[in-house]
Amino acid sequence: ILNVEQSPQSLHVQEGDSTNFTCSFPSSNFYALHWYRWETAKSPEALFVMTLNGDEKKKGRISATLNTKEGYSYLYIKGSQPEDSATYLCAPRGAGNMLTFGGGTRLMVKP
Amino acid sequence: DAGVTQSPTHLIKTRGQQVTLRCSPKSGHDTVSWYQQALGQGPQFIFQYYEEEERQRGNFPDRFSGHQFPNYSSELNVNALLLGDSALYLCASSLAGRAFDEQYFGPGTRLTVT
Repeated sequence: ILNVEQSPQSLHVQEGDSTNFTCSFPSSNFYALHWYRWETAKSPEALFVMTLNGDEKKKGRISATLNTKEGYSYLYIKGSQPEDSATYLCAPRGAGNMLTFGGGTRLMVKP
Repeated sequence: DAGVTQSPTHLIKTRGQQVTLRCSPKSGHDTVSWYQQALGQGPQFIFQYYEEEERQRGNFPDRFSGHQFPNYSSELNVNALLLGDSALYLCASSLAGRAFDEQYFGPGTRLTVT
């Protein structure tokens, strides 16, 4: 898996807004799709690991969907809060345990 | 339950020098992967260690080498440092055989090459 695209690169929203990001990846040789949340000066935090086409995962106000046939995943945040401000990374995993990261979407939530 | 730890936090080296970065995996994990994150990019996979052997390698030159110890901790060594090696180096741990488990990341080591 070589080319992982995330869009948008950055996003500024107001507190309370809902938002979503896209992760696009080559659909061949796909094993799993990881989403990470990375706050400045902290370790990347695992959000979801998704494996099945049509998979949908949810953690609080954050949810994600996966389409392995067309090679994309969406991450949704409902009612954004300032503490949601972070960089959100997606990483498809091919054979073995190697993650190929996209460039990330940087979310800034204004109070 | 200790998470993934890395040392040192920051490091400044001169071109041509050698550097060693260290990683202790999360308790119970036996596999360590190393990633390089250059400014403005996502992390890039360097290599992965399991059972004290390099199991998989990304597109990095031989100047990048590693080691895993019997206690599963790992080192990343970079020889003949270049300015372009300046980056955040992340270590991630996981448990072999659990293909769809999360990889847990440490806070990283910031390497600056001058």
